[in-house]
Amino acid sequence: GAVVSQHPSWVICKSGTSVKIECRSLDFQATTMFWYRQFPKQSLMLMATSNEGSKATYEQGVEKDKFLINHASLTLSTLTVTSAHPEDSSFYICSALGVLRQAFLRSAFFGQGTRLTVV
Amino acid sequence: AQKITQTQPGMFVQEKEAVTLDCTYDTSDPSYGLFWYKQPSSGEMIFLIYQGSYDQQNATEGRYSLNFQKARKSANLVISASQLGDSAMYFCAMREASGNTPLVFGKGTRLSVIA
Repeated sequence: GAVVSQHPSWVICKSGTSVKIECRSLDFQATTMFWYRQFPKQSLMLMATSNEGSKATYEQGVEKDKFLINHASLTLSTLTVTSAHPEDSSFYICSALGVLRQAFLRSAFFGQGTRLTVV
Repeated sequence: AQKITQTQPGMFVQEKEAVTLDCTYDTSDPSYGLFWYKQPSSGEMIFLIYQGSYDQQNATEGRYSLNFQKARKSANLVISASQLGDSAMYFCAMREASGNTPLVFGKGTRLSVIA
């Protein structure tokens, strides 16, 4: 199957600093990428949708100035958590949609996820 | 709006036995896809099985099968011959066909396989 690489796998940062998480589609062009957040023992909650070359669409309740999303190319999307605080500690995971016409519905691939701890 | 419901927060199964994880969904889009993912403690989302709304037959992938009952809007996952390594969180998800829509997830079921 298609491969999505997410980096870093885990990161610890100090409160007030910014952290950048990268999501790359390695062997296909990802026209759309989704960013999810998952708190312990909970499900994945969609944060935002990013389309290549345009501004991200954020879900209700997600601060767009805090969670900056950039999708500058068909293979890379980044999520930057700005001025991180302990309550931002969570598991962040990206999902990329490929251009697989024959299997459009099933072409959703996940990165490995990033565990962010803000101290 | 689309919605996924998983009513079993936790399940136990004896090793080598079969187990069914429940999932019901709601959507007004006639074209959609249903997914099951396994999430071990590492956090990665492991794709298990997919069922399209127009697929005539229930999907199967090795020990995983999807019991798709369209009229009831249910898409239960059946794991046969459970193994200790099957212990994990399992998420049912759905995606509608209209546009580049995201996967919407249920709350998940934690499966524990007992030796």
